[in-house]
Amino acid sequence: DGGITQSPKYLFRKEGQNVTLSCEQNLNHDAMYWYRQDPGQGLRLIYYSQIVNDFQKGDIAEGYSVSREKKESFPLTVTSAQKNPTAFYLCASTDWVGGTDTQYFGPGTRLTVL
Amino acid sequence: AQTVTQSQPEMSVQEAETVTLSCTYDTSESNYYLFWYKQPPSRQMILVIRQEAYKQQNATENRFSVNFQKAAKSFSLKISDSQLGDTAMYFCAFIQMYSGGGADGLTFGKGTHLIIQP
Repeated sequence: DGGITQSPKYLFRKEGQNVTLSCEQNLNHDAMYWYRQDPGQGLRLIYYSQIVNDFQKGDIAEGYSVSREKKESFPLTVTSAQKNPTAFYLCASTDWVGGTDTQYFGPGTRLTVL
Repeated sequence: AQTVTQSQPEMSVQEAETVTLSCTYDTSESNYYLFWYKQPPSRQMILVIRQEAYKQQNATENRFSVNFQKAAKSFSLKISDSQLGDTAMYFCAFIQMYSGGGADGLTFGKGTHLIIQP
């Protein structure tokens, strides 16, 4: 089935550790996005990528890094520089080239810092 | 920068009633899209309805419809014949389109928690 997968569903991190969240899509979408969701808040944009080997910072990029080596994959690394990383992380994709303006979301990863 | 405001943190209605969720946004641009997403307890974000700013006609999807007032920068969602499965967080979202196609990310409101009572 076509869709967006995120792994793991739950992730625990000790302070000072880097962790990487996976996002994969088989929709052949060019653009991919990472959002963070905190309790009582809407989603906020961390990073996005319109094409392979290119990405841009969103509103809250500090303490995060990404790569886009393949069209179907857009991993997010939460570094030790992110002071408050406990949150729900959502990945999305869309197909601007194909004329789709709607972003479709993965199921999310819940990150907890111990 | 664009902003999206949802002024109702929580709403509760009886099953089968009609409910309207409010959303206002702020932008100086003209080429944009607006969306309503639903987030049930599973936390999966599900698209409810979308509206192109250049279209005057309000979008509808079955029991869901919008009241898009471009001059007032208002984009409310109406849910008719509400069902227990409509219980969820509802987020209003905005996206600015580039003139050559493509866009940055979505800007979201803080959400409205809608509870449908049996």
